[in-house]
Amino acid sequence: QQQVKQSPQSLIVQKGGISIINCAYENTAFDYFPWYQQFPGKGPALLIAIRPDVSEKKEGRFTISFNKSAKQFSLHIMDSQPGDSATYFCAAQGGSEKLVFGKGTKLTVNP
Amino acid sequence: GAGVSQSPSNKVTEKGKDVELRCDPISGHTALYWYRQSLGQGLEFLIYFQGNSAPDKSGLPSDRFSAERTGGSVSTLTIQRTQQEDSAVYLCASSSSWKGEQYFGPGTRLTVT
Repeated sequence: QQQVKQSPQSLIVQKGGISIINCAYENTAFDYFPWYQQFPGKGPALLIAIRPDVSEKKEGRFTISFNKSAKQFSLHIMDSQPGDSATYFCAAQGGSEKLVFGKGTKLTVNP
Repeated sequence: GAGVSQSPSNKVTEKGKDVELRCDPISGHTALYWYRQSLGQGLEFLIYFQGNSAPDKSGLPSDRFSAERTGGSVSTLTIQRTQQEDSAVYLCASSSSWKGEQYFGPGTRLTVT
């Protein structure tokens, strides 16, 4: 049973464009939603995270939008750069310590 | 400061052999997690330690997998009688507090031939 569904699997964006990755969850006990960025051969790096008491969180070019009623959250990367090309994972945590991950989105930003 | 470190970075072993994977968490982090990343399954939780105790072992796929943590710091994940389906990247993460942010190490790539 996949508890966090992530889409799209892959995304190609032009430099300067907006990248949008979406995630949906089912477990209403989830109360912490981080996004991780992973480059080939490296471990996932925490990018930005949100808790359900706010609907949006922005850090630099990265924004999380959160819709509690729809049980959805998304990552927006503004002014996407070639250096942003990586795999992005959404995750959720709640009720227990473990993170439940989406399947990942491979982002390619063309110069 | 130093991040989470894991060793070895790569391990090739023959089917049926035992392997040990090591994780050094960020200094002072009380919580430690093991995850497995494989092409077909994505990132899967294996086990969680708070101090030296493992309150959640629910993700360990079989009794061939075990883990321990000593001194509230270093952890070792042991896989006995390795199988080809054990081939994956094994990731360790640590956190400074209960349900705090988890920081990952670079992983150990295990290949079972």
